Amino acid sequence: EIVMTQSPGTLSVSPGERATLSCRASQSVSSNLAWYQQKPGQAPRLLIYGASTRATGIPARFSGSGSGTEFTLTISSLQSEDFAVYYCQQYNNWPPDTFGQGTKLEIK
Amino acid sequence: EVQLLESGGGLVQPGGSLRLSCAASGFTFNSYAMNWVRQAPGKGLEWVSAISGSSGSTYYADSVKGRFTISRDNSKNTLYLQMNSLRAEDTAVYYCAKSGGIAVAVSDYWGQGTLVTVSS
Repeated sequence: EIVMTQSPGTLSVSPGERATLSCRASQSVSSNLAWYQQKPGQAPRLLIYGASTRATGIPARFSGSGSGTEFTLTISSLQSEDFAVYYCQQYNNWPPDTFGQGTKLEIK
Repeated sequence: EVQLLESGGGLVQPGGSLRLSCAASGFTFNSYAMNWVRQAPGKGLEWVSAISGSSGSTYYADSVKGRFTISRDNSKNTLYLQMNSLRAEDTAVYYCAKSGGIAVAVSDYWGQGTLVTVSS
């Protein structure tokens, strides 16, 4: 089973600044990686798939990059509604798909 | 508008059974694979099971294989998860999620979840 490791566990950033979240796979997942956002008490929301393709309705300030084992989610200018937990998910070796443990993005 | 509404959660004793349902609307249900994903209290996401649009193929996480059964009724636009031999570690919010068509595992719409608590 592929292990997905996200870093950091918690990231403190001020509104308007850039946030960079990382996700590492224990073996190559090609570009078969998705990112989700989850706010407290809500279901996850798909942000990015194929490592870099934004899902429908996702603002352009969200961007994904990487391939193989190293991936990055960048939020270019943080808005108040962006503070949440973010999960990466590999779907290259499926089943099972595996999620990272999450990065909590909090207001600095 | 895509809507997914889970039901059937609740408190059950260890070893007991529960059947979750997910009523879907706003899309052509039989054209999309569906997933169940769970989240234990204060923890991350764990994929549980998936089923193809035609019900021809089903998939399970090792943690639930042999105990859980996924099914769907395309005439009722409803997804199910039959959970048997429940354990304390099955306690979680269970989400029904629609595959986006990119890959079975990539879910573009999620329900709000139903809480399953396994405790004596």
